Amino acid sequence: EAGVTQSPTHLIKTRGQQATLRCSPISGHTSVYWYQQALGLGLQFLLWYDEGEERNRGNFPPRFSGRQFPNYSSELNVNALELEDSALYLCASSLRGLRDTQYFGPGTRLTVL
Amino acid sequence: QKEVEQNSGPLSVPEGAIASLNCTYSDRGSQSFFWYRQYSGKSPELIMFIYSNGDKEDGRFTAQLNKASQYVSLLIRDSQPSDSATYLCAVFLSTSYGKLTFGQGTILTVHP
Repeated sequence: EAGVTQSPTHLIKTRGQQATLRCSPISGHTSVYWYQQALGLGLQFLLWYDEGEERNRGNFPPRFSGRQFPNYSSELNVNALELEDSALYLCASSLRGLRDTQYFGPGTRLTVL
Repeated sequence: QKEVEQNSGPLSVPEGAIASLNCTYSDRGSQSFFWYRQYSGKSPELIMFIYSNGDKEDGRFTAQLNKASQYVSLLIRDSQPSDSATYLCAVFLSTSYGKLTFGQGTILTVHP
């Protein structure tokens, strides 16, 4: 069974640009989560999508947004990129939402120059 | 007080020894507890989850949960150099909806 997939693996942008990161959950999973892992910081919760709806949001500015498609894949958009947005962005999926076990994808390394 | 705290590392153990990793949490109503392993430059990989008080064993790994004392631990028996990684404790707090709260991680090094 295929795991969570993410694309691209690496992404290099300059300040002020927009970045789009993509995630496909494990087959049968309906919930998708996004986390940020910046250097020296722990994993920080960004967003939770379930059945196409945003269910919860972490303490991040509105320029971090996303959506979930009918096939349960998800997209994370980061607008007006800042240097401190450089981080590993991790997508996870679970069978159902709320408190189910989350399985992580390989991540997208975003570098903002 | 941080919501989820792990014992400060790094932790270094010889090959074959038992590695003990500890985690405390502040929310007494927390329900579910997870241990992830993260190799450098890679994503977290689930090792174990535990919901009930007591021990849960899976191969060389044992998770222990004590809700009264608000701690969860991970024991790794017969440690191998391949176990060298950062171990992350994660908790669903009672007020969380879909959000896993992670500890800062403990770096484990197993030396031959």
